[in-house]
Amino acid sequence: DVKVTQSSRYLVKRTGEKVFLECVQDMDHENMFWYRQDPGLGLRLIYFSYDVKMKEKGDIPEGYSVSREKKERFSLILESASTNQTSMYLCASSPYLDQPQHFGDGTRLSIL
Amino acid sequence: DAKTTQPPSMDCAEGRAANLPCNHSTISGNEYVYWYRQIHSQGPQYIIHGLKNNETNEMASLIITEDRKSSTLILPHATLRDTAVYYCIVRVSSGTYKYIFGTGTRLKVLA
Repeated sequence: DVKVTQSSRYLVKRTGEKVFLECVQDMDHENMFWYRQDPGLGLRLIYFSYDVKMKEKGDIPEGYSVSREKKERFSLILESASTNQTSMYLCASSPYLDQPQHFGDGTRLSIL
Repeated sequence: DAKTTQPPSMDCAEGRAANLPCNHSTISGNEYVYWYRQIHSQGPQYIIHGLKNNETNEMASLIITEDRKSSTLILPHATLRDTAVYYCIVRVSSGTYKYIFGTGTRLKVLA
């Protein structure tokens, strides 16, 4: 089974802090994704990566950056956290772009 | 991008088949229909996907109408552990291949 592991289930940070969310997958997948999930808005794609050191913006990249130095790890960075970034963050991976994505259990981030 | 419409909630008796409908009338020819479910406080779990033929796996069956404007996910023998929010998703078939999640159907399986 595919395993996508997100480093924290719950995280509380303060406004202005730099926040790192980590995601690791164990299936040698080429593609990794970061989404946020908010009530009534569904999932929205923040960034995705189709190879090491490669990244593409999704629909809502503002205020975020990503890093993929190794194939198995994809990090989401909130450069200067704001309260409107309080959300559930979901990481996903897939072997090819047109294959099903497999999700981690999410990180519920609160920015105070 | 195609959108999906699902009923907000449904109930199903334990042991009975759960039939979850989805409307995707604006789907284009090369877009797949995916189904995921999300149990509270967990990430979405992949169930099944299809293009135009009916599909079956160990979890569920997917029935897609001939015009592809709607589909039905069938859980043949629902259990209490199937209580979750079920998302019908149309997948963009180029570029990011992102998912467009709607608000889903909250399925409650009753004992």
